Amino acid sequence: EVQLVQSGAELKKPGESLTISCKVSGYSFTNYWVAWVRQVPRKGLEWMGIVYPRDSETRYSASFEGQVTISADKSITTAYLQWSSLKASDTAMYFCARVSSGTYYLLDFWGQGTLVTVSS
Amino acid sequence: DIVMTQSPDSLAVSLGERATINCKSSQTVLYTSNNKNHLGWYQQKPGQPPKLLISWASTRESAVPDRFSGSGSGTDFTLTISSLQAEDVAVYYCQQYFSTPGTFGQGTKVEIK
Repeated sequence: EVQLVQSGAELKKPGESLTISCKVSGYSFTNYWVAWVRQVPRKGLEWMGIVYPRDSETRYSASFEGQVTISADKSITTAYLQWSSLKASDTAMYFCARVSSGTYYLLDFWGQGTLVTVSS
Repeated sequence: DIVMTQSPDSLAVSLGERATINCKSSQTVLYTSNNKNHLGWYQQKPGQPPKLLISWASTRESAVPDRFSGSGSGTDFTLTISSLQAEDVAVYYCQQYFSTPGTFGQGTKVEIK
């Protein structure tokens, strides 16, 4: 069974750093891209970027390039989303998802989401 | 970026009736080399992550009930729920996966009338 299990909710202050994780099981981690998607509360979905765990190649949406870092550790089948300096506008639910084979953006299995709240 | 626009923003349908959601892309998502539309539909229930229902505009994912169907090509697409069930109450999103970034529509909320 394909599973993506994300780390728990976070409450942080502006300017703090943060890394959230996505532990994958049930398929060959190195054969599929993993994506991160942002959902602002009661709003829509935004595709942030992807990582290919086999060689750690990444691709970002222009809206998120330089704002976050996406990475993966194939030894523990885990993908990461990292901020070096959080802003209040980063408050959102973040989902990781497996990218469907043969595409870069279609997402066929999703994690449960990690709620990140940034508030002073 | 390709802009995806859904209509309506919300709709209320009686149980057993048809629900129709439209999705329009600002440019074609039909990839001529494989003649496939790079368009997917997702369902998101409250407190849950999105779930992929349909890929390639009209291919249902495994275990998705056949009351869900997708149609359209190029820039205009439709998701149809042929006979609305109580468990279909959700927000539905279209997404293009033709080019970076894989943009989503704003969502359509489906409720029971």
